[in-house]
Amino acid sequence: GAVVSQHPSRVICKSGTSVKIECRSLDFQATTMFWYRQFPKQSLMLMATSNEGSKATYEQGVEKDKFLINHASLTLSTLTVTSAHPEDSSFYICSALHNSNEQFFGPGTRLTVL
Amino acid sequence: TQLLEQSPQFLSIQEGENLTVYCNSSSVFSSLQWYRQEPGEGPVLLVTVVTGGEVKKLKRLTFQFGDARKDSSLHITAAQPGDTGLYLCAGGLVGSSNTGKLIFGQGTTLQVKP
Repeated sequence: GAVVSQHPSRVICKSGTSVKIECRSLDFQATTMFWYRQFPKQSLMLMATSNEGSKATYEQGVEKDKFLINHASLTLSTLTVTSAHPEDSSFYICSALHNSNEQFFGPGTRLTVL
Repeated sequence: TQLLEQSPQFLSIQEGENLTVYCNSSSVFSSLQWYRQEPGEGPVLLVTVVTGGEVKKLKRLTFQFGDARKDSSLHITAAQPGDTGLYLCAGGLVGSSNTGKLIFGQGTTLQVKP
């Protein structure tokens, strides 16, 4: 099956710092990747669609200047949480689009902002 | 407004029991996926259904896509403790630009007690 990796798996940072999360498709090329946020025992909340070689498309209510997305290659998308605050603490998950209709997910990143 | 209504949201049963999870919508989907997620990990794709009326089986799991492609169900026979997890349905809407974006249900937290 299609494999997606995510790094780091967990990160703890101080308030005001920036954190970068990487999402890689390991055995296929993905022109489209997605970034989600998930709260405990809830479903996934789509934050943005990451498009290789073009600007990301953000969902309503998601601040593009706070959550910077870069999709510089067909196998890598990055999400940078800038000037992180405790309310940004969450589980962030990426996925990569495969065969135009299937998303394969990374293992997630647990972000804790102190 | 939730485009994809998933029920029940919580389910606690004894080992050996059967259960069904439902996803319903007034919208038509081009495809529908079912995922299973364990705590602290990313969702894992179980199945994709694309044809109205389609039935797919994965060991003790049976997935059905409604004839009109507006609803789907997941039936688990003789549930085992290893089936415990968060089950998510997700569909790709027909008619929208082909972004690969999925609409997620609220999720069903299943606990199977030994």
